Order: sequence, then C-alpha cells, then structure tokens
Amino acid sequence: DGGITQSPKYLFRKEGQNVTLSCEQNLNHDAMYWYRQDPGQGLRLIYYSQIVNDFQKGDIAEGYSVSREKKESFPLTVTSAQKNPTAFYLCASSIAQGPTDTQYFGPGTRLTVL
Amino acid sequence: GENVEQHPSTLSVQEGDSAVIKCTYSDSASNYFPWYKQELGKRPQLIIDIRSNVGEKKDQRIAVTLNKTAKHFSLHITETQPEDSAVYFCAANAIKIIFGKGTRLHILP
Repeated sequence: DGGITQSPKYLFRKEGQNVTLSCEQNLNHDAMYWYRQDPGQGLRLIYYSQIVNDFQKGDIAEGYSVSREKKESFPLTVTSAQKNPTAFYLCASSIAQGPTDTQYFGPGTRLTVL
Repeated sequence: GENVEQHPSTLSVQEGDSAVIKCTYSDSASNYFPWYKQELGKRPQLIIDIRSNVGEKKDQRIAVTLNKTAKHFSLHITETQPEDSAVYFCAANAIKIIFGKGTRLHILP
C-alpha cells in the first residue's frame, strides 16, 4: 500500500467551489477506486475504473466526477453539486477488478467544507 | 442489493483476552473475504483474507473462519494487545467488493 499516494492530506473548501483530490499509484495496478468514509459508516464506493479511459459510477456518484487518462492516476473532483462533501476520502487500487483481487488503500484526504 | 452486516459495532475486551467480530453477507457468489484494520486517521490496511475454498486461515494471533453455507465469516484475535485497538472492517467480494460498517475495538488495560 505504500505505492499509493493521495494529496493533499487535508483540504478546505468554501461552499460552491469545485475541488480535485489527487490519487497516484506506482504499483502497475489496472483498477482504481474512490471511497468516501463518514464517522461510524463503512466505506462507500464513489467511482471505480478498471482500465485507462474507462470508469463506472459506484453507489454514491452524484456530485462527483473522475478521469482516468493515465494508468497511474485517478483524480476525483468534488463538485459544488455534492450537498454534503465534508468527509474522509480514500483511494484504492488492485491488480485488476477480479473477485479475488485485494484492494490497497492510499493514506486518504480529509475534506472540510467551510 | 448485496449487503454485508458486521457485528458488534463496538467491542471492548480486557488486554490478553480474545476478540471476535462477525460478518454475514447476502451475495452467495462472494468468494473472497478480506479484513482491514484502520487506526485513527490512517488508511485501512489488509490484515488477513480468506477465499471461498478455505474454511479457516490463521496468521499468528489472528484467524478468520468462513461458513459459506451460512454466509457467515468471523475474525478472531487472541491474546489482545493495546496496539490491536482500531476499527476493523470486513468485506465480501463477488462482482464488486462490499464493506461492512466496521467494529471499533477497544483493548482495556
């Protein structure tokens, strides 16, 4: 999991602003994921990508957007349409998106909307 | 839809005692069951996993058991230590991975 990095660690945003969270991996993994974590909640899937230039919505995609232009990178944009964006955001990757492929997590970005 | 139920949500055990966390899943196609440990403010880290062709797996003080018929799997931690205090997540993976809501484990001195 040391091969997955997220930046920044903490992010503050004013209401109405879009913000982009970075996720990079050097593990040569094909699949990448974005999760949102709220206190007392599990991990909820926002978006995932199995290969470059392809991604799918997860369970809570509304108000978020992603891109996958490079294998190593999967940035997440939190748009002003996301009504409650304050949360801890985790990026993960796996070798592929097979049913037995282990996901490894980045260190997370804590987003606070002021 | 597919679901993973995890119990208890909070667990306190005396240092040196055992801790057990239980999960049930709904998708009978699930065949991979990882467990993650997350310390406060840190990333979830894989501590042990089990595949559906195995009933039990052990790694030092940690063990996981799987009952595919009952769609139930459990994490067992023996001889608990202060550094075991964390939130533990179970997950079940079929077409996509589904996480439980987590168990906050407190090790009491």
